Amino acid sequence: KQEVTQIPAALSVPEGENLVLNCSFTDSAIYNLQWFRQDPGKGLTSLLLIQSSQREQTSGRLNASLDKSSGRSTLYIAASQPGDSATYLCAVEDSGYALNFGKGTSLLVTP
Amino acid sequence: GAVVSQHPSRVICKSGTSVKIECRSLDFQATTMFWYRQFPKQSLMLMATSNEGSKATYEQGVEKDKFLINHASLTLSTLTVTSAHPEDSSFYICSARNSGTSGGATYNEQFFGPGTRLTVL
Repeated sequence: KQEVTQIPAALSVPEGENLVLNCSFTDSAIYNLQWFRQDPGKGLTSLLLIQSSQREQTSGRLNASLDKSSGRSTLYIAASQPGDSATYLCAVEDSGYALNFGKGTSLLVTP
Repeated sequence: GAVVSQHPSRVICKSGTSVKIECRSLDFQATTMFWYRQFPKQSLMLMATSNEGSKATYEQGVEKDKFLINHASLTLSTLTVTSAHPEDSSFYICSARNSGTSGGATYNEQFFGPGTRLTVL
């Protein structure tokens, strides 16, 4: 069964810092990997989707990389802002099409 | 991106009642939808896979007679929590899978609804 781990569980940084969130998965036979943002009490906002054949995706200040062979993905956030404060979830899609989620990284960016 | 709606967004009910949650894909057809549950400060856990026109596939530990899933059309799946109890209080989120080919390229992505907060008193 696919297991997804996210490190760190929580992170607090001052505004302006660049930061990296890590995600690892146990089964490299994935279809794609997705990063989501979740604000407290809210649903999910999709940030980036990386197909299994891709190595990275970029959107604005966000960059996500995927290394299938090592079972790792990183989400890089440049020039963090207080509005980036949220929980970031990594999820991998397996052959059954369902998403397997990590427990998330809770990010706090202080002014 | 594609839009998935969920209704209701919040429901409070008495113990023993049944609650129906609707999940709709608004601008695409989804043969496969998924239902997830999220407890406070936990991640999303898959409950079941809903396939249009066939029975849902439930994850281990999820009672199919308690969580009834119906996927009667390509744009609508419903989750009914029967005889709800306080321990069923949770955040329920659905997703719909949009897949196909465009310009020779294959695409597939899941789009999530905004979630339903269920509180059972």
